[in-house]
Amino acid sequence: EADIYQTPRYLVIGTGKKITLECSQTMGHDKMYWYQQDPGMELHLIHYSYGVNSTEKGDLSSESTVSRIRTEHFPLTLESARPSHTSQYLCASSEPDRGRETQYFGPGTRLLVL
Amino acid sequence: SQKIEQNSEALNIQEGKTATLTCNYTNYSPAYLQWYRQDPGRGPVFLLLIRENEKEKRKERLKVTFDTTLKQSLFHITASQPADSATYLCALEEDFQKLVFGTGTRLLVSP
Repeated sequence: EADIYQTPRYLVIGTGKKITLECSQTMGHDKMYWYQQDPGMELHLIHYSYGVNSTEKGDLSSESTVSRIRTEHFPLTLESARPSHTSQYLCASSEPDRGRETQYFGPGTRLLVL
Repeated sequence: SQKIEQNSEALNIQEGKTATLTCNYTNYSPAYLQWYRQDPGRGPVFLLLIRENEKEKRKERLKVTFDTTLKQSLFHITASQPADSATYLCALEEDFQKLVFGTGTRLLVSP
């Protein structure tokens, strides 16, 4: 069982609201990732971080932002939620050493924007 | 462009049979390939990693092959059980520890 946590698990919110999706891991991993996944579709990388104060945009353009102030914490923020943001958001982390590249995923946050 | 293909149709098999799932890729030269299991509403869980210099990897009832010439990986579950029903994703490294995932194949094992 991976020690990576996401809150909330489910969120229903109105258009225009600001939301923050939390992700924490206790494994000491430097690398962390945020993916977006729609039902039956592939995971799309939207943000990643190689360590504290490092954040990069992923392959899928996203209006969300991330921060990495602490190793264990990688929150994702949407300043103004829209129905198009409705999706499942998955956080992951991976071990720091090359050659041990598996990713550990959290349970996900399912977001519904009305 | 780089692409990973997995059979989008669900694979239905009977309990006890061997399930075989396919992952094909183009425009990649991956150093390794990974397989994950994803249950509905959950995050993927890592199963196996196979490197380019390995032809086959086993873990309990799971077996993965990797043919870099065919650009293909096969994922086998022997003596399948209803509890094996899930979506199975293959993933390749696109950049340093950035993975690209396939859409996954849903496996249904009936009793």
